[in-house]
Amino acid sequence: DQQVKQNSPSLSVQEGRISILNCDYTNSMFDYFLWYKKYPAEGPTFLISISSIKDKNEDGRFTVFLNKSAKHLSLHIVPSQPGDSAVYFCAAKDQGAQKLVFGQGTRLTINP
Amino acid sequence: NAGVTQTPKFRVLKTGQSMTLLCAQDMNHEYMYWYRQDPGMGLRLIHYSVGEGTTAKGEVPDGYNVSRLKKQNFLLGLESAAPSQTSVYFCASSLSVEAFFGQGTRLTVV
Repeated sequence: DQQVKQNSPSLSVQEGRISILNCDYTNSMFDYFLWYKKYPAEGPTFLISISSIKDKNEDGRFTVFLNKSAKHLSLHIVPSQPGDSAVYFCAAKDQGAQKLVFGQGTRLTINP
Repeated sequence: NAGVTQTPKFRVLKTGQSMTLLCAQDMNHEYMYWYRQDPGMGLRLIHYSVGEGTTAKGEVPDGYNVSRLKKQNFLLGLESAAPSQTSVYFCASSLSVEAFFGQGTRLTVV
């Protein structure tokens, strides 16, 4: 039972344009949602998070939007840069069990 | 400023062999996690710990055991390795929300 789903395995965006990565979840007990970025042969690194009581959080070029009624969140990167090319994982924290559940990841490629 | 350190970084095992992966964190975090990453499957939680002396099963615990005897260390054991356990293993630790990851251990079982 995949509680966190990223339905797009890959996304290609032109440099300077907006990148939008999507994530869906099923568990209403998640209290925080996070985005991680992963380069090859490295561990995932934290990017941005949002509490379930908010609908938007912004940090520089990165903005996360949460739609609780649709159980959907998205990460916007604008403007996209070549260094943003990586695999992006959506994750959700289960407030009861104190564990992080991850999606399958989306490979983002920024083209010059 | 080590953060989360995993040893070893690479290992090749024969089917049936056993091994232990070590994870050490120096941030005094309560929560620690072991994940495996496989193509198209994302990061799947194997086992986790909410404090010294505690462990709990994640999504894919079969074939693995863990121990958290000291707060800073979280060990992942494979008693009898199988080819299906070929994967990249990541350890992570957390104080509350954000988790910090190690560099990973690439394990191949032949």
